[in-house]
Amino acid sequence: DVVMTQTPVSLSLAIGQPASISCKSSQSLLGTSGKTFLNWILQRPGQSPKRLIYQVSKLYSEVPDRFSGSGSETEFTLKISRVEAEDLGVYYCWQGTHFPQTFGGGTKLELK
Amino acid sequence: EVQLVESGGGLVQPGRSLKLSCLASGFTFSNYGMNWIRQAPGKGLEWVASISSSSSYIYYADTVKGRFTISRDNAKNTLYLQMTSLRSEDTALYYCARSTYYGDYWGQGVMVTVSS
Repeated sequence: DVVMTQTPVSLSLAIGQPASISCKSSQSLLGTSGKTFLNWILQRPGQSPKRLIYQVSKLYSEVPDRFSGSGSETEFTLKISRVEAEDLGVYYCWQGTHFPQTFGGGTKLELK
Repeated sequence: EVQLVESGGGLVQPGRSLKLSCLASGFTFSNYGMNWIRQAPGKGLEWVASISSSSSYIYYADTVKGRFTISRDNAKNTLYLQMTSLRSEDTALYYCARSTYYGDYWGQGVMVTVSS
């Protein structure tokens, strides 16, 4: 199974500060289709997960452009240019390339 | 508006069965693969099973293989998860999510508690 390793486990940041979350996979997530199914989702407290980014770097239409995703093969990064209050919660990376699909352990973003 | 509404959860004894449903609306259900994903209390997310749009391809996590069955009825816009031989470690909030590879929309989840 593909192991997804997310770091850090938690982040405590003030509003306006940048954030960076790393996600590393134990094998390449480049699929035979030529696509890399690496997604980022956010679970706010008490809510179900919400979509953020798909295929490494593609933002869903409702996601603010302060979010960005990058990476390839086995190393991926989610960045927030300036953290806002609504960004708090747990961020998960999720690979959909290989079955069984697997999630990172999550990164909890807290506000200082 | 895309909506996914799970139902069928509850308290069940170990070894018993339960069937979850996920009613989809706001999109053409038969065009999308679907997933079940669960979250044990206070824990992270665990992928459980996926089914392609026409049910041609089905995948399971090893932890549920042979005990859980994912299925769908495209005429009823509904995704199912038949769970048998339930164990305490199956206790979780179960989400259905649209799109096999992206999980772009999630339901609110339904709680399954396995306990005697």
